[in-house]
Amino acid sequence: EVQVVESGGGLVQPGQSLRLSCTASGFTFGEYAMSWFRQAPGKGLEWIGFIRGKAYGETKEYAASVKGRFAISKDDSKSIAYLQMSSLKTEDTAVYYCTRYSGSSVDYWGQGTLVTVSS
Amino acid sequence: DIVMTQTPLSSPVTLGQPASISCRSSQSLVHSDGNTYLSWLQQRPGQPPRLLIYKISNRFSGVPDRFSGSGAGTDFTLKISRVETEDVGVYYCMQATQFPWTFGQGTKVEIK
Repeated sequence: EVQVVESGGGLVQPGQSLRLSCTASGFTFGEYAMSWFRQAPGKGLEWIGFIRGKAYGETKEYAASVKGRFAISKDDSKSIAYLQMSSLKTEDTAVYYCTRYSGSSVDYWGQGTLVTVSS
Repeated sequence: DIVMTQTPLSSPVTLGQPASISCRSSQSLVHSDGNTYLSWLQQRPGQPPRLLIYKISNRFSGVPDRFSGSGAGTDFTLKISRVETEDVGVYYCMQATQFPWTFGQGTKVEIK
């Protein structure tokens, strides 16, 4: 069974950093691209970043709202994707979701992890 | 960026009756590889999003056949043939043809 589980969320102050993890199971992690999304309280979904699989050089794409502040990486040996967030702002407060990308769509979503940026 | 516009934003439906949601993109979603990367996602209250439909009309594993997707180019539709209680939630269209991936605003389906 395919599963992705996010962890690492919490309360941080503006300007601080936080790293989220996405632990995957049930599939050959290195063969897939992974993506991160977020959802601010009471709002819609926002795509924030994408990392291709090993066969495509693990190249990355980012939304303009996070480019230069957030960085995605993956450790295929551990089946974990990471979202390193720095210079956090209050508007980064959201539930962050990790997803697998099948080549056609984002097919499996985690339960999400809440990040609250507040002083 | 490609702007995705959903209508209606709210859809009160009688149990057992059909529901339809429209999604329009600001430019064609046909990729250079010939595919159209338009998906529909369902988000039940308090739950993460769940993939229903990918590449316009393909139902994801485990999705009931009362859900169907159609369309082409810039105009797409999600239909629920007979709404059930478990279908209550917010539905989003999403394009993954071009970065940045973008979503519609969401359509809230509720029971009348």
